[in-house]
Amino acid sequence: KNEVEQSPQNLTAQEGEFITINCSYSVGISALHWLQQHPGGGIVSLFMLSSGKKKHGRLIATINIQEKHSSLHITASHPRDSAVYICAVAGSQGNLIFGKGTKLSVKP
Amino acid sequence: DAGVIQSPRHEVTEMGQEVTLRCKPISGHNSLFWYRQTMMRGLELLIYFNNNVPIDDSGMPEDRFSAKMPNASFSTLKIQPSEPRDSAVYFCASSSQDGYGYTFGSGTRLTVV
Repeated sequence: KNEVEQSPQNLTAQEGEFITINCSYSVGISALHWLQQHPGGGIVSLFMLSSGKKKHGRLIATINIQEKHSSLHITASHPRDSAVYICAVAGSQGNLIFGKGTKLSVKP
Repeated sequence: DAGVIQSPRHEVTEMGQEVTLRCKPISGHNSLFWYRQTMMRGLELLIYFNNNVPIDDSGMPEDRFSAKMPNASFSTLKIQPSEPRDSAVYFCASSSQDGYGYTFGSGTRLTVV
């Protein structure tokens, strides 16, 4: 069993829809990261969470430490949000363990 | 800040050749990480350094891979000899020791033919 599980693997949405990507993990963590990677592109850190909720623009990330679960929400989705979203958990030294990613496609 | 700088962006080399990938972390960051991304395996940690000292190299595939961090502003990942299965995108990342400011470089796309 993978230490970090994401769902869904692939997601297609219409522009304007509310999107949720889920992440569950089975190891002890110091923090959880949500990353974004555009096709052929680099990796951008969207959020680092150790508790509660963070919001940046149309993006919201939540984490429940007791349930070992995190969600990434995108409100009013737009085609430019199309990318792979990766959940990664950080060990005590900061090294990341990655989920396999969720490929999001937002259609106009 | 220019972010984490990796070079080269692309490298094509013949099997058996030595390959050296370079990384300049963000100034002031104490931790540096080397990751590899392939279609089959996704993103994997190869090795990471705290304060220039290698902490965990258990992700390094085999003895053909080596990494150094001679000072706080420079790290190298070397593959010798290279093999076609080493073809991947290699990312360097840096952060402060508590994990804040985690930043990835643009990656080096390595193709071994």
